[in-house]
Amino acid sequence: QKEVEQNSGPLSVPEGAIASLNCTYSDRGSQSFFWYRQYSGKSPELIMFIYSNGDKEDGRFTAQLNKASQYVSLLIRDSQPSDSATYLCAVNNYKLIFGSGTRLLVRP
Amino acid sequence: SQTIHQWPATLVQPVGSPLSLECTVEGTSNPNLYWYRQAAGRGLQLLFYSVGIGQISSEVPQNLSASRPQDRQFILSSKKLLLSDSGFYLCAWTVKGANTGELFFGEGSRLTVL
Repeated sequence: QKEVEQNSGPLSVPEGAIASLNCTYSDRGSQSFFWYRQYSGKSPELIMFIYSNGDKEDGRFTAQLNKASQYVSLLIRDSQPSDSATYLCAVNNYKLIFGSGTRLLVRP
Repeated sequence: SQTIHQWPATLVQPVGSPLSLECTVEGTSNPNLYWYRQAAGRGLQLLFYSVGIGQISSEVPQNLSASRPQDRQFILSSKKLLLSDSGFYLCAWTVKGANTGELFFGEGSRLTVL
């Protein structure tokens, strides 16, 4: 079992829709969780992090964490074509482990 | 403000040739530094990290090595490249003591080994 699992996609949504990106992790001791966005050919950039169970909102982005289910998700409201990218989930215990990413395509 | 630079941006090297990738951080002191590799369609794999000058920890056995000769300089090297060394190499830094998941990445170096 991979330590951090993500569906590779692509996840295709129309402009203005909600995009839902999911991630599961295997280490129950993980303490903090991160979402990075990576445009094609570019380096990743941090967009959100979450430490506690529940939801955390930042603009159009909402991170959701359920430690009991070992599940973390990222919702993007009012999706824009500029949101088209690969989204990497990362989980931190004593080191940061990245998933392989989900490619999101937002159709105009 | 803090910035991080990597070079070269792209390189094509023959199998068996040496490699040197360099990374420097500006605007901060005593950062934690990291080298990651991303193979095509794959996630980020941590190769090395450093908490200070001369202090290197290796995460994955391989024919690569890393050095930190100065506080804000991190170098990735190989004496003889393999085909499997191809990938997108990323240098990253964090503020010491901060949540180690908040990484700031350089622009990346794309290596193709032929």
